[in-house]
Amino acid sequence: QKEVEQNSGPLSVPEGAIASLNCTYSDRGSQSFFWYRQYSGKSPELIMFIYSNGDKEDGRFTAQLNKASQYVSLLIRDSQPSDSATYLCALEGSGGYNKLIFGAGTRLAVHP
Amino acid sequence: KAGVTQTPRYLIKTRGQQVTLSCSPISGHRSVSWYQQTPGQGLQFLFEYFSETQRNKGNFPGRFSGRQFSNSRSEMNVSTLELGDSALYLCASSTGRNNEQFFGPGTRLTVL
Repeated sequence: QKEVEQNSGPLSVPEGAIASLNCTYSDRGSQSFFWYRQYSGKSPELIMFIYSNGDKEDGRFTAQLNKASQYVSLLIRDSQPSDSATYLCALEGSGGYNKLIFGAGTRLAVHP
Repeated sequence: KAGVTQTPRYLIKTRGQQVTLSCSPISGHRSVSWYQQTPGQGLQFLFEYFSETQRNKGNFPGRFSGRQFSNSRSEMNVSTLELGDSALYLCASSTGRNNEQFFGPGTRLTVL
């Protein structure tokens, strides 16, 4: 079992819809979770981080964390074509100290 | 504030050679982490430096090494290059007090 699992997609949503991206993880001791966006040919860009159970909202983005069920999700409201990218879920790995474990990423395609 | 910078952006080497990549973190950030990104393995953690000390390392052979200078700039070195070392090498900086990491543009290494 991989440490961080994501559906590779592509997830296709129409413009203006809500895109829901999901991620499950195996290490119950993980405390910090991150969502990065990566456009083709570019480096990852930090969108959200979440440390506590529940929801965290930032503009059109909402991160949700459920430690008991070991999943973290990212909702993108009012999706735009410019949101089309690969979304990477990451968590702090064992030993801490900024060791991030990444999922393989979910490719999101927002069509007009 | 200027972002993370990496040099060079592109590099072509042949098998058996060695290479040194450089990373300058965001001003005030004392932690630098290095990652390798390939289509097959995704983003994988190499090592992390904070105040010139390696605090964590991933599962890479000893051919991969790094260091950090007193101004927080970091270098990574790969010796005896193999074809499989062809990848995008990313560095990320953070304050070191939390895990939010910001990536540089990466160095694309091609080994022939």
